[in-house]
Amino acid sequence: DVKVTQSSRYLVKRTGEKVFLECVQDMDHENMFWYRQDPGLGLRLIYFSYDVKMKEKGDIPEGYSVSREKKERFSLILESASTNQTSMYLCASSSLVGATGGNTIYFGEGSWLTVV
Amino acid sequence: DAKTTQPNSMESNEEEPVHLPCNHSTISGTDYIHWYRQLPSQGPEYVIHGLTSNVNNRMASLAIAEDRKSSTLILHRATLRDAAVYYCILRGADSWGKLQFGAGTQVVVTP
Repeated sequence: DVKVTQSSRYLVKRTGEKVFLECVQDMDHENMFWYRQDPGLGLRLIYFSYDVKMKEKGDIPEGYSVSREKKERFSLILESASTNQTSMYLCASSSLVGATGGNTIYFGEGSWLTVV
Repeated sequence: DAKTTQPNSMESNEEEPVHLPCNHSTISGTDYIHWYRQLPSQGPEYVIHGLTSNVNNRMASLAIAEDRKSSTLILHRATLRDAAVYYCILRGADSWGKLQFGAGTQVVVTP
């Protein structure tokens, strides 16, 4: 069974803290994504990566950075957490082999972050 | 990116079929039509996808209009476990495979 694992399911952090959200996939996928999901706003793409050390901004990258040092791992970093970053964060991965549009994207279970 | 339009919500009785429509009038020739669903407090999960022909799998069927400007996800016999938000998404080959999620359709299944 394919698996995207997010390291923390629930986190509570203080304003100004540096926060790391880790994601690991076991499918040897080239593409990895970070989304956040908020009520009424749906899923919004923060960053994605199509290869090791490569990254591209999504729709809402401000306040976030990412790291992809190994193919299977994609980290989302909140350099200085703020209350408006309280949200559910979703990691996903997908293969780039073949017809990219026809490849399935696999999601993790989500990480609920509360910044107080 | 081409957009999709779905109804906000749909209700169904348990064990009855559910037909979820999706309009995508600006779809391009290389866009695949994907459906994902999201159960409460979980990440989205893949349901089905197709390009031009109708598709069936163990979860659902996907009927694609001949002009590809609309599609319908069919859950053949709804169960309480099918209560979720269903997203219809277009995925092109030239967008690094990014998914642009809309609001989706909330499916309510009544016993």
